[in-house]
Amino acid sequence: KQEVTQIPAALSVPEGENLVLNCSFTDSAIYNLQWFRQDPGKGLTSLLLIQSSQREQTSGRLNASLDKSSGRSTLYIAASQPGDSATYLCAVRQGRSQGNLIFGKGTKLSVKP
Amino acid sequence: EPEVTQTPSHQVTQMGQEVILRCVPISNHLYFYWYRQILGQKVEFLVSFYNNEISEKSEIFDDQFSVERPDGSNFTLKIRSTKLEDSAMYFCASSGTRIYNEQFFGPGTRLTVL
Repeated sequence: KQEVTQIPAALSVPEGENLVLNCSFTDSAIYNLQWFRQDPGKGLTSLLLIQSSQREQTSGRLNASLDKSSGRSTLYIAASQPGDSATYLCAVRQGRSQGNLIFGKGTKLSVKP
Repeated sequence: EPEVTQTPSHQVTQMGQEVILRCVPISNHLYFYWYRQILGQKVEFLVSFYNNEISEKSEIFDDQFSVERPDGSNFTLKIRSTKLEDSAMYFCASSGTRIYNEQFFGPGTRLTVL
């Protein structure tokens, strides 16, 4: 059964720092991986979708990488800002015909001014 | 920018009552989903829906749950007889023309069962 783990559970950094959030999954046979942002009491905002055939995807200050064989993905945030403070979730899709996402518990990021 | 909407934002109900949570997916999307997040826990998949029928469901989605697309825009989740443990944030999501497309989530409905 697929398990998705995110370490650390919480992270506090000063503004301006570059940082990396980690996501690991136990079954490398995934179809794609999606990173989300969740603000307290709010919904999930999709940040990046990375297909299993891709190594990385970029959007603005965000860069997600995927190493399927080792069961890892990272989300790199450049020049962090207080507005980046949120919980970041990664989720994997197991198969091409399966729609359900399997989520990690998230990393709660706090960026201090 | 198109977005998924959900109503109500917060629903309080008594144990044993029926509730209906409503969602309006993004208009040209074909795949619809319900997830839930119990406070402090992971987001969990409940059900996916395509072409007017359930395509996948999890173990959580038992006989007390049902989904419906009553018209061309709404997608609903019904819980027939709520239990205390149904208290959670319920998220609706939709994706485009392929099941493996990016999923877009709504803001959620917080369900509190007393």
